Amino acid sequence: SQTIHQWPATLVQPVGSPLSLECTVEGTSNPNLYWYRQAAGRGLQLLFYSIGIGQISSEVPQNLSASRPQDRQFILSSKKLLLSDSGFYLCAWSTPKFSVGNEKLFFGSGTQLSVL
Amino acid sequence: AQTVTQSQPEMSVQEAETVTLSCTYDTSESDYYLFWYKQPPSRQMILVIRQEAYKQQNATENRFSVNFQKAAKSFSLKISDSQLGDAAMYFCAKGEYGNKLVFGAGTILRVKS
Repeated sequence: SQTIHQWPATLVQPVGSPLSLECTVEGTSNPNLYWYRQAAGRGLQLLFYSIGIGQISSEVPQNLSASRPQDRQFILSSKKLLLSDSGFYLCAWSTPKFSVGNEKLFFGSGTQLSVL
Repeated sequence: AQTVTQSQPEMSVQEAETVTLSCTYDTSESDYYLFWYKQPPSRQMILVIRQEAYKQQNATENRFSVNFQKAAKSFSLKISDSQLGDAAMYFCAKGEYGNKLVFGAGTILRVKS
């Protein structure tokens, strides 16, 4: 069966420090991978998605970047965190489809990031 | 930009009663998919139900059913026989090209015993 691992669960970082959040998927090949952010009391905002190794699409211009060094590994990074980067970050995967989005997303357990 | 609107920030329902959560969306596509996700206090996102736009029949999953009105671009979720475990944030989402889901802002559902 497929599983998705996301860590750490919580993170407190000072403004200006770097960030690295990691997400890995097991039990499937060539998944589509996603990073979402959920601000307090709000909906999910898609940050990045990837359909393959080294292929990253950014949905929102921001202070963050994403990388996919391996087929089932997706990393969210920042060189210098801002206060506005605080939020709940969710990694997700889906089976690869190249037409209308019709497959359900499988989400990780999330990372609560607090930038102080 | 494609948008999904949930006009009810919060809803309350008595245990064992029925509640309907509203969702409307914007699209220029003829083929797409709609979803309801549940986020309990654990914050784990869980798929509740999925509707294929080309199907006229409303999707049903046990106590959860949808009222899909394609012309009106409306996709409401009905929860029957509400249980305490149904208390959560519910998100409506629309599937776009390449599996990029667009989510609504969410509705907090409170279940009273």
